[in-house]
Amino acid sequence: NAGVMQNPRHLVRRRGQEARLRCSPMKGHSHVYWYRQLPEEGLKFMVYLQKENIIDESGMPKERFSAEFPKEGPSILRIQQVVRGDSAAYFCASSPFPGGRRYEQYFGPGTRLTVT
Amino acid sequence: SQQGEEDPQALSIQEGENATMNCSYKTSINNLQWYRQNSGRGLVHLILIRSNEREKHSGRLRVTLDTSKKSSSLLITASRAADTASYFCATYKNSGGSNYKLTFGKGTLLTVNP
Repeated sequence: NAGVMQNPRHLVRRRGQEARLRCSPMKGHSHVYWYRQLPEEGLKFMVYLQKENIIDESGMPKERFSAEFPKEGPSILRIQQVVRGDSAAYFCASSPFPGGRRYEQYFGPGTRLTVT
Repeated sequence: SQQGEEDPQALSIQEGENATMNCSYKTSINNLQWYRQNSGRGLVHLILIRSNEREKHSGRLRVTLDTSKKSSSLLITASRAADTASYFCATYKNSGGSNYKLTFGKGTLLTVNP
């Protein structure tokens, strides 16, 4: 049973370019969460998605950032017109059921975005 | 201070010694979890302790939870060089409908010297 997959593992973008980060949840998991980790910080919640639905995007910047989890295929976190402050590690997690009161979230290896 | 803060920020010990890390949080929680992150890698879930539990063991790990003090500790016994990593506590808030947001502290960087 493969774990949460993320690609690419490392992504370098110049300022103004677009970054697309992909996340494939664990088999059977239909709940996906994105977190961002700035250097020497803990992870911060960005967005929670179920298949074809954004449940909570309260942690995501209002501009330039968007996320989707289509019926088929991986979840995508998209950052348009990247700036240096977007440089961070972006982690995806998945769970088999909504919320996390009884179930852990399983994390992927992360995508390290560097904006030059 | 933010929900889920680890203490100390950094800890350096010799192989074979025990390592204790603490975590404090502010709001009522459903459960508390500890994660490990090796340098430049993803998060590995270590252990989950529920709010009605006081202590939990998993191999060389021992976690305690004191809800009256809003604090938890992670003890790693007989440490190994491979335990070198950052350790994070994470909590879900026990209020409202947003109990899927894990809130992480900044972590404790543990270095185990061979």
